[in-house]
This record gives sequence, structure tokens and C-alpha cells, in this order.
Amino acid sequence: NAGVTQTPKFQVLKTGQSMTLQCAQDMNHEYMSWYRQDPGMGLRLIHYSVGAGITDQGEVPNGYNVSRSTTEDFPLRLLSAAPSQTSVYFCASRDRGGSNEKLFFGSGTQLSVL
Amino acid sequence: GNSVTQMEGPVTLSEEAFLTINCTYTATGYPSLFWYVQYPGEGLQLLLKATKADDKGSNKGFEATYRKETTSFHLEKGSVQVSDSAVYFCALRARSGGSNYKLTFGKGTLLTVNP
Repeated sequence: NAGVTQTPKFQVLKTGQSMTLQCAQDMNHEYMSWYRQDPGMGLRLIHYSVGAGITDQGEVPNGYNVSRSTTEDFPLRLLSAAPSQTSVYFCASRDRGGSNEKLFFGSGTQLSVL
Repeated sequence: GNSVTQMEGPVTLSEEAFLTINCTYTATGYPSLFWYVQYPGEGLQLLLKATKADDKGSNKGFEATYRKETTSFHLEKGSVQVSDSAVYFCALRARSGGSNYKLTFGKGTLLTVNP
């Protein structure tokens, strides 16, 4: 059982470049989300999705796009990278509703924008 | 809005020492409360949770009690080990309306346990 898989683990971009961070889960979770982790800031929610075809913004959505065409995949797109987007990015998923409130996290993508 | 405040780190302890990491929250309604742990180079893992007032979450020797009267969820462990060295995050999930699926995290507390 792979859980939540993120690729790549590390990435260096130049300002203005675009890229997609991949996230896939094999647990049939309806809810998926993207967080960024910055020193002294904790984790901040970028975007989330409660099912295929449904996405919504979190606290810090600017500069990022998402889509959810399948239950399994939830890619995060940086359209024009900026140094302020240097961060560690985590994808997380969970079952929708019920008493199971556990978020499953991927191992993260460390992104540097020069 | 919802917020979580946890004690500033880093916290450095010797093995077998007692650990407390303070966490207080602000939220509407009755949130669920969580502690997540992040070991070096890994993603976060759920450590324990509590879903209503006076509930005690526990796992791996760690405990935290949901105190509605003080809006707190302090993490404790009686005897820490070197393997407990990690970053600990307090978090809440509000139960009302559109924020139902969002977790709000504290800034994290780095714990280092020395042998």
C-alpha cells in the first residue's frame, strides 16, 4: 500500500518557469489537499478538493492552480515560479466524513526558486 | 477565524525527561483537535486526536486532553526517548460550514532529545 506519493522530491526552478508537482493516492480518498511548509509559519493550506471535479482555495492560493480529474491524482501547478514560492510542499488525503479524521501525508517536495 | 498557538521551540531534553508542549486554540463551535508529528525528512503523521471536550487522546506514550474551559490541548509524555526527536504540530478541524475539511495547524515545535 503506497499511500500518498509525491514527485519529485526535490526541484530547482528559475524565476518565471512553470512546473507541476504530482500527487497520487491509492486509498480511494475523496479529500485531497496541498500545504506549504515554511520556517516559523507551520503548514498553510494552498488548495483542496473534496472529490473529482471539485476544488477550492485554501489560505494561500495565489500563484498556484489545481485540478482533480480523477479520485487518485491531485497535481499542483506553478504557472510562473517566484522566489516566494521556495518552500516544502506536502500533499495530504483523507476519507470524507465519518469518524475517520486522519490526514495521510506524502513525504514532501522541496522546491527552490532562484 | 480559527487559529492554533503552540509554544515556541526548540525544546531540548535529556532522555527520560518529562515533556510538555503547550497548545491553545481559537475556534467557533466545537472543533476536533490533533497532534501530528514530523520526523526528519518525512511527511506528517497523526500522533493522537480528541473530538470532544474532556476526551484524552493517547499514542506511543504521548497524551493530550481536550480542555474546553481553557481552550487547550497540551501534549505530554512522561519519559522521552531519543527516537521522539521530531517536530510536533497541534492542529484543529472546525466543524462548521465550508471549513469542515480544513485543518488549521500551529507553527510546530522542534523537540530534540539527547542521550
